[in-house]
Amino acid sequence: DTGVSQNPRHKITKRGQNVTFRCDPISEHNRLYWYRQTLGQGPEFLTYFQNEAQLEKSRLLSDRFSAERPKGSFSTLEIQRTEQGDSAMYLCASSLGVANEKLFFGSGTQLSVL
Amino acid sequence: LAKTTQPISMDSYEGQEVNITCSHNNIATNDYITWYQQFPSQGPRFIIQGYKTKVTNEVASLFIPADRKSSTLSLPRVSLSDTAVYYCLVATDTGFQKLVFGTGTRLLVSP
Repeated sequence: DTGVSQNPRHKITKRGQNVTFRCDPISEHNRLYWYRQTLGQGPEFLTYFQNEAQLEKSRLLSDRFSAERPKGSFSTLEIQRTEQGDSAMYLCASSLGVANEKLFFGSGTQLSVL
Repeated sequence: LAKTTQPISMDSYEGQEVNITCSHNNIATNDYITWYQQFPSQGPRFIIQGYKTKVTNEVASLFIPADRKSSTLSLPRVSLSDTAVYYCLVATDTGFQKLVFGTGTRLLVSP
């Protein structure tokens, strides 16, 4: 168990640029989640994948945000035309896909939009 | 999803037992109570989960009264490394774990 890996750990970008984050879940986990966390707040749910299918998206996920999990393994989260309000920690989590399971979170990608 | 209320912050000293209480008055029959721990610049980490009465693992104990409207996370003999944010969550697995995090309890353990 190598844990959930997220890259990059930090990203600084200018407003209007596009950014992409990658998440590599624990290998046998078929569920993958994206959360966003701002300073002093708890993580907020963004979206969820069961294998390669994106099954739920939060209203927080505007049309500038897109997430993929092409082969049911790693996932990418892209933000287009970044805004300063996008600055946050983006967390990925994975799980086995059983009832009342625990989620395993990565260390996140800290995005700063200047 | 049931909303939870927990203290914003708590202070303790090394070696003491810490009890963090969470209220969840609107908990539903199928809901479980789960606690996560988060250190700065890291993602949350699962600590413990329970449905009723008492659950204990190598890290903590979770006490849930019969009415399940509250729960208490107990950390025995805390150390400096237990300084973190602790989140109480209540969720029903409706096919996936859509966890709703509040602002959590910031625990500061001092020497």
